[in-house]
Amino acid sequence: GQNIDQPTEMTATEGAIVQINCTYQTSGFNGLFWYQQHAGEAPTFLSYNVLDGLEEKGRFSSFLSRSKGYSYLLLKELQMKDSASYLCAPMDSNYQLIWGAGTKLIIKP
Amino acid sequence: GAVVSQHPSWVICKSGTSVKIECRSLDFQATTMFWYRQFPKQSLMLMATSNEGSKATYEQGVEKDKFLINHASLTLSTLTVTSAHPEDSSFYICSARVGQGDINTIYFGEGSWLTVV
Repeated sequence: GQNIDQPTEMTATEGAIVQINCTYQTSGFNGLFWYQQHAGEAPTFLSYNVLDGLEEKGRFSSFLSRSKGYSYLLLKELQMKDSASYLCAPMDSNYQLIWGAGTKLIIKP
Repeated sequence: GAVVSQHPSWVICKSGTSVKIECRSLDFQATTMFWYRQFPKQSLMLMATSNEGSKATYEQGVEKDKFLINHASLTLSTLTVTSAHPEDSSFYICSARVGQGDINTIYFGEGSWLTVV
């Protein structure tokens, strides 16, 4: 079957660094997306990895290892506005995103 | 960057009536559009996948006669909730896929809150 495994909730301090891990199993693979979703709002695109390695984009970086079915999202210099849910979503062979419940990230001052 | 616009953002309708939600890709042609619903504190649930000019593919358990999807052009897809009931109240979100070779990106609309009273 297809499934996503992410921590349900994480807490970090403003200004710090946090890494959100994701393991996945899909039928085929066409890349992996990370989205940010604030409560009551639609998801916002953060990153897309299709090849192994690290993609850096400002304060956010995303890593992918296809052989391990593993990805992580790294957030640096955390700000209070980063408090949100972070969704790891691999794309299967039918180009459909597979969704888990996401990781709720709480930032404390 | 690519933008997906969804309208309306909020809608309240009476039980038994129909409501239409629009999803437009503003500066790109969307190969495929997806419709989701999301209940509070739950993950996104895919309702259907639509490709321009063809019938939508509905996920198991989603009533195609109740949730009508029309994808008339490469930039517009609509979801019509027919004979709405209070249990249809939810957050409905569309997304559009831009695919170029191995690069695929999916952008989401802003979402539409539907309340059926």
